[in-house]
Amino acid sequence: DVKVTQSSRYLVKRTGEKVFLECVQDMDHENMFWYRQDPGLGLRLIYFSYDVKMKEKGDIPEGYSVSREKKERFSLILESASTNQTSMYLCASSPPGQAYATNEKLFFGSGTQLSVL
Amino acid sequence: SQQGEEDPQALSIQEGENATMNCSYKTSINNLQWYRQNSGRGLVHLILIRSNEREKHSGRLRVTLDTSKKSSSLLITASRAADTASYFCATDWAGKSTFGDGTTLTVKP
Repeated sequence: DVKVTQSSRYLVKRTGEKVFLECVQDMDHENMFWYRQDPGLGLRLIYFSYDVKMKEKGDIPEGYSVSREKKERFSLILESASTNQTSMYLCASSPPGQAYATNEKLFFGSGTQLSVL
Repeated sequence: SQQGEEDPQALSIQEGENATMNCSYKTSINNLQWYRQNSGRGLVHLILIRSNEREKHSGRLRVTLDTSKKSSSLLITASRAADTASYFCATDWAGKSTFGDGTTLTVKP
């Protein structure tokens, strides 16, 4: 089975800290994604990547950056954490779909609940 | 705003009954997927329906897609207490999978 591993289940940080959220997948998937999930707002896409060293902005990239130096690892970076970034962060990966630039099945990690105090 | 919106937001039924959840979206899609999420965990893929398909079945799941109305429905038949979870639709377009707000299903034993 595909495994997507997020480095921390719970994380508590202070306002202004630089925060790294790590995600590793073991199935050689090209596509990787970072979402945040907030009550009443569903999942919102922050950034995604279709290949090593490439990245694309999602719907809410402000305040975040990402790094993909290796195919299996996709890191989300909060340059200066703020309280409004307190959220559940979900990483996902997927193989390419039948058609170009499609996704047909995302595999999710268990999530990191980040609290910024 | 979010691409997909689920309806209802919450649904409570008795074990053995059928559960129907609806999803509406706003733009074109390549496909539409349904996911399940148990409390505080990641999402698990349930079923995919492509834009040129109208209905798919998988076990107790039945999904329909009406691209003219930009809507989909997920039917879970003969529900079980273990089906209690949140259910999300996700639309795929332009390389992104965009999720709705979810329906919280509670199945009472």
